[in-house]
Amino acid sequence: NAGVMQNPRHLVRRRGQEARLRCSPMKGHSHVYWYRQLPEEGLKFMVYLQKENIIDESGMPKERFSAEFPKEGPSILRIQQVVRGDSAAYFCASSPTLLSGGVGTEAFFGQGTRLTVV
Amino acid sequence: DAKTTQPNSMESNEEEPVHLPCNHSTISGTDYIHWYRQLPSQGPEYVIHGLTSNVNNRMASLAIAEDRKSSTLILHRATLRDAAVYYCILRDSGAGSYQLTFGKGTKLSVIP
Repeated sequence: NAGVMQNPRHLVRRRGQEARLRCSPMKGHSHVYWYRQLPEEGLKFMVYLQKENIIDESGMPKERFSAEFPKEGPSILRIQQVVRGDSAAYFCASSPTLLSGGVGTEAFFGQGTRLTVV
Repeated sequence: DAKTTQPNSMESNEEEPVHLPCNHSTISGTDYIHWYRQLPSQGPEYVIHGLTSNVNNRMASLAIAEDRKSSTLILHRATLRDAAVYYCILRDSGAGSYQLTFGKGTKLSVIP
């Protein structure tokens, strides 16, 4: 059973370009979460999606960032007109059910996409 | 949200036990204590979680203080592969507690 797959692993973009980060959740998982990790920082929640729905985007910057999880295919995190401050590692996680604190509710993370804006 | 406090870094010799502490003095009665770790250039990985009783799994043990204001992650025999940043995270038992709040964690170095 393949884990959470993210691609590309490394992405370099010039300022003003668009970045598209892809995440394929584990088989059978319909809940996807995106996190961002700035250099020397902890991970910060960005958005939670289920198939075809954005459930919580409270951690997403209001401008330039969007996310989707279509009925078919991977989840996409899209950053338009990238700036140097967008340089970070972006991690995707998935779970088979809605996470809560209790039994059997761990999130499975991918290896991340490291975005560098030059 | 209840907050956790961890030492910035710790060192251990290979093959020796490691005790990683976490303080959470404002923990609520419905908060579970979760531990994740992040190996270099990897995504976080679930380690263990518990509510009140001590817990064991194949990766580690979790010792929870009687008043639940602190806990300790125990790696019984550290290996070089255990060098990582370890995060202690509180999560409410209610449905919808899906946001994992990562602090800076404890960076564990393992000395051969």
